[in-house]
Amino acid sequence: KAGVTQTPRYLIKTRGQQVTLSCSPISGHRSVSWYQQTPGQGLQFLFEYFSETQRNKGNFPGRFSGRQFSNSRSEMNVSTLELGDSALYLCASSLDWQGAQYFGPGTRLTVL
Amino acid sequence: AQSVSQHNHHVILSEAASLELGCNYSYGGTVNLFWYVQYPGQHLQLLLKYFSGDPLVKGIKGFEAEFIKSKFSFNLRKPSVQWSDTAEYFCAVNPNRDDKIIFGKGTRLHILP
Repeated sequence: KAGVTQTPRYLIKTRGQQVTLSCSPISGHRSVSWYQQTPGQGLQFLFEYFSETQRNKGNFPGRFSGRQFSNSRSEMNVSTLELGDSALYLCASSLDWQGAQYFGPGTRLTVL
Repeated sequence: AQSVSQHNHHVILSEAASLELGCNYSYGGTVNLFWYVQYPGQHLQLLLKYFSGDPLVKGIKGFEAEFIKSKFSFNLRKPSVQWSDTAEYFCAVNPNRDDKIIFGKGTRLHILP
């Protein structure tokens, strides 16, 4: 099976812009979660989707949003980018919300 | 709030030494437990998982972890480490109800050749 894929792999934006990141889960996986990884904070949970519904949301401002499509692919959007949004954004998929998560390679976002 | 604690942020060992990385969680109910590894330049990979049954779980690359419910712990062990085990290790907990997976902040492991 192909693994979790994320596009783009690298992104450079400026403050105030918005960005959309994409994630394709492993075939058959219906749950997709998003995480932000930074050297200082480690892995922080953003949100989780299952069957197109957001099941859980972490402690991030409303500028961070996401959605899941009927084919389980997911996108996350960050509006009005801030310097502190620079991070590696990881997507993980699992069969359901209680299963082991399999991570993609991440999208490295740099905000200038 | 639920939390996951990995007490060792940095661990340095010589090859062939034994390894134990600590993980404690604060949730009191039934949980699913995971250890993930991130090798330099690579993405996160699942090392092992515990859902139920035998509390001693064996994973890939010779790793194992023991779930001790009374201590809310899920420590990772390896009897003899190799230089290739240099990586960052994350413990994660998924309360067995409608909730999210919580990750620890990670432990950076350096193995000296």
